[in-house]
Amino acid sequence: DGGITQSPKYLFRKEGQNVTLSCEQNLNHDAMYWYRQDPGQGLRLIYYSQIVNDFQKGDIAEGYSVSREKKESFPLTVTSAQKNPTAFYLCASSHWGQGNTEAFFGQGTRLTVV
Amino acid sequence: GENVEQHPSTLSVQEGDSAVIKCTYSDSASNYFPWYKQELGKGPQLIIDIRSNVGEKKDQRIAVTLNKTAKHFSLHITETQPEDSAVYFCAASMRTSYDKVIFGPGTSLSVIP
Repeated sequence: DGGITQSPKYLFRKEGQNVTLSCEQNLNHDAMYWYRQDPGQGLRLIYYSQIVNDFQKGDIAEGYSVSREKKESFPLTVTSAQKNPTAFYLCASSHWGQGNTEAFFGQGTRLTVV
Repeated sequence: GENVEQHPSTLSVQEGDSAVIKCTYSDSASNYFPWYKQELGKGPQLIIDIRSNVGEKKDQRIAVTLNKTAKHFSLHITETQPEDSAVYFCAASMRTSYDKVIFGPGTSLSVIP
């Protein structure tokens, strides 16, 4: 089945540690996105990537980093510079520039700082 | 930049009644308005969308209306069922240099059996 997979579902991080969230898609989508979800604030864009080896900052990129070495994969690293990392993280993918901007979301990773 | 507001933040309806969620957007250049449903512990899923050249769109029990002049768009769910209980997000986007989608804060809908 085609889809977008995030792992792990739950992640615990100690203060000062970097952690990496995985996102893989087999939908042959060019574009991939990372969103952060906090209660009452909707979805905020962290980073996005239109093509392999290229990515752009979203609205809240500080304290995060990404890579796009393969079309199928767009991992997100939450660095120690992110002061309030506890949140629900959602990865999404979509076609690019084809008039259909529907985004397909993964099931999310809940990150908790302990 | 674009800003999307959404009301109400929570909504409870009796099974069989209708539910209406309203959104406003700020950027008149926005031309694509999707609605997503997020069930507990899952990622959002697209349920219906509308483009700026259309005023209304229906899909079975779900309909969306768009008023470009007022920059309002609304989601209507008729004959609600318990499985409609979820968080609903409206969004707006423009086809510019990239497909930036701005989400509203969400509405938690509870359908009471």
